[in-house]
Amino acid sequence: EDQVTQSPEALRLQEGESSSLNCSYTVSGLRGLFWYRQDPGKGPEFLFTLYSAGEEKEKERLKATLTKKESFLHITAPKPEDSATYLCAVQADRGSTLGRLYFGRGTQLTVWP
Amino acid sequence: EAQVTQNPRYLITVTGKKLTVTCSQNMNHEYMSWYRQDPGLGLRQIYYSMNVEVTDKGDVPEGYKVSRKEKRNFPLILESPSPNQTSLYFCASEGTEADTQYFGPGTRLTVL
Repeated sequence: EDQVTQSPEALRLQEGESSSLNCSYTVSGLRGLFWYRQDPGKGPEFLFTLYSAGEEKEKERLKATLTKKESFLHITAPKPEDSATYLCAVQADRGSTLGRLYFGRGTQLTVWP
Repeated sequence: EAQVTQNPRYLITVTGKKLTVTCSQNMNHEYMSWYRQDPGLGLRQIYYSMNVEVTDKGDVPEGYKVSRKEKRNFPLILESPSPNQTSLYFCASEGTEADTQYFGPGTRLTVL
C-alpha cells in the first residue's frame, strides 16, 4: 500500500532559523514526489516535483531533495511569510493509476519574528 | 490565465438534499480529481478521471458520484448528503506533460 508520512506535524521557528521538513514514503514505483504549500482555507500551491533519487530543486529560501525512501524540504533563513502548511504527495508509476496522488498529513510551519 | 475554478465556494445544506459542486479547468488537462480535506486526516482523493468518460475511485468514494462528459468539467455529486460529508473539497487537474496537479480554491461544505 502506498503511504506518505510527514514529520514533524508542527514546527515553530524564529525568523532566520533554518530547518528541514521530512517526508518518508513507500510506493511501488515512484513516478514523482510533490511538495505543496497550503495557506489556511486555500488550495495547495505547487512548489516542486522530484522524480529520481539525488534530484534537488530550489526556489528562493526552499530546497527540496529526494532519496529512495524520503524527501526533505530545507528552509533557509525563513521569514514570517513562509508560515504555512507544507504538504508532500507521491504518485506511483503505474499506468492505471496515473492521476492518483497520495498525500501526507502535512507539517504546519510557523515562523515568528 | 491557467486556472481551476470551483462553485460554489461555500455551501450550507441539509441532510438528504442533493447537491452538485462544479469544477472547470482551462488548461486542456486530461486528468482531474476531487479531494476532501479534514482536520487531522489531510487530503484524501475521492474520485479521479483520466479522460472523458473514464473515472475511477480514490480512497474515499462512498457517498459521492462524478461524471466527465466534457474534458474541462468534472462535477462532484452528493445524491444524499450526510453530516459526515461536511468538509473542505478541492478539485485538481493535471496534464500528461505537466509536472503537477493544479488545485482549485476549494468549496467549504456544511451538511446539517
